[in-house]
Amino acid sequence: AQSVTQLGSHVSVSEGALVLLRCNYSSSVPPYLFWYVQYPNQGLQLLLKYTSAATLVKGINGFEAEFKKSETSFHLTKPSAHMSDAAEYFCAVSENTNAGKSTFGDGTTLTVKP
Amino acid sequence: NAGVTQTPKFRVLKTGQSMTLLCAQDMNHEYMYWYRQDPGMGLRLIHYSVGEGTTAKGEVPDGYNVSRLKKQNFLLGLESAAPSQTSVYFCASEDPNTGELFFGEGSRLTVL
Repeated sequence: AQSVTQLGSHVSVSEGALVLLRCNYSSSVPPYLFWYVQYPNQGLQLLLKYTSAATLVKGINGFEAEFKKSETSFHLTKPSAHMSDAAEYFCAVSENTNAGKSTFGDGTTLTVKP
Repeated sequence: NAGVTQTPKFRVLKTGQSMTLLCAQDMNHEYMYWYRQDPGMGLRLIHYSVGEGTTAKGEVPDGYNVSRLKKQNFLLGLESAAPSQTSVYFCASEDPNTGELFFGEGSRLTVL
């Protein structure tokens, strides 16, 4: 069975500060891991995904995530927050290649202060 | 460049009424999905389809039915709406080559 936990339902950072959004997963097989971003009144958009290639995955908008098997984590980071990064972020895990059957985390709302 | 389109975007129903949400995609994807999103929760899979004429149950299928008569369309139906079905519904299709999901903008349903 697969599950995902996002630590912190709300994260607030200042513009220009480091963004760190935490995600831990559970999977009975090597997982596929995803981060999505959702802007208000929109659907989710894929930021990046891990599919057992490089453990450090680079995505769009300057975000990246590192797969750490020993810690069962897939935390999302961005060196310098921008006001436009304010959104809700979802981590998701899948035990097969069907991304649509992923289990999604509860989401983390990122606020960026000027 | 439509991608995934959902209609309607907003709907208010009374308990016991029925309705259908339409999802249309123009990317020729085989896999399509319906989710619901509730406050403070991630997406939960209602039903999905791996191709025209096929459907399968997801995590929370009770109270919903679906049909995939045409490859580009995936319909979600509520036969007898209940207040517990008040939610935002998202449709998505999946690119089989990249595994990327493409989402519609959502349909906000309120059941009174």
